[in-house]
Amino acid sequence: AQSVTQLDSHVSVSEGTPVLLRCNYSSSYSPSLFWYVQHPNKGLQLLLKYTSAATLVKGINGFEAEFKKSETSFHLTKPSAHMSDAAEYFCVVSDPAGNTGKLIFGQGTTLQVKP
Amino acid sequence: KAGVTQTPRYLIKTRGQQVTLSCSPISGHRSVSWYQQTPGQGLQFLFEYFSETQRNKGNFPGRFSGRQFSNSRSEMNVSTLELGDSALYLCASSDDPGRDLNQPQHFGDGTRLSIL
Repeated sequence: AQSVTQLDSHVSVSEGTPVLLRCNYSSSYSPSLFWYVQHPNKGLQLLLKYTSAATLVKGINGFEAEFKKSETSFHLTKPSAHMSDAAEYFCVVSDPAGNTGKLIFGQGTTLQVKP
Repeated sequence: KAGVTQTPRYLIKTRGQQVTLSCSPISGHRSVSWYQQTPGQGLQFLFEYFSETQRNKGNFPGRFSGRQFSNSRSEMNVSTLELGDSALYLCASSDDPGRDLNQPQHFGDGTRLSIL
C-alpha cells in the first residue's frame, strides 16, 4: 500500500535561513509524489510534483524537492525562508490505477518562520 | 481560469440534521474528489466522481454520499450529522487522474462544517 511519512510535525526557522521539510514514502509502484501547502483558512496549493522526468523538481516560490529512490525520500527545501512561507505543508502520494482520484496525505509539517 | 469554488464557506448545523456542500471544478476538469480534514485524522479521501459516476470511495459510512452533474459540478451530502463530522471539507478537481496519475489535483478553499 502507498503511504507517506512526514518526519517532523513542526519546523521552526529564522527568516533568511534554509528550510528542510522531510518526507519518506512507501510504494510498490513508481510513485507520483506532490508537495502541497495550506495557509490558514485556505485550501491546498500545489507547490511541485515529481513526474520521473527529473529527480530534482523545482516548484513555485523558490521551493524544490529531490526524489531519492534509494532512500525512499522526497524532501522539500528552500534556500531562504520568507515570513510568508509560514504554513502547513503536506507530502502527498497518488494511489495507483484502480484507486483513481485518491491522494494519500502525510500528517503535515507546520513551518514557523521567525523574524 | 477560475479556480475550484466551494460553497458555502461556513456552515453550522445540529446533530441529526443533514447538509449539502457544493463544488464547482475548474473549467474542463471532469474529475472531482472530496476530502475531510480534521485535526485528529488529517486529510482523508471520501470519494471521487468522474463523468457523473462515482469511481472510487474511501472508508466512510453510508451517511456520506455525493453526486456529479453533467457540467462536472459536484455535491456532497451528509445525513444524520454527528459531532465527529465537524471538519473542513475540501474538494479537488483534475482532468482525469485515472489516465495520468501525475496530474495534480487543484483544491478549493473548503467548507468548514461545525456541528453543535
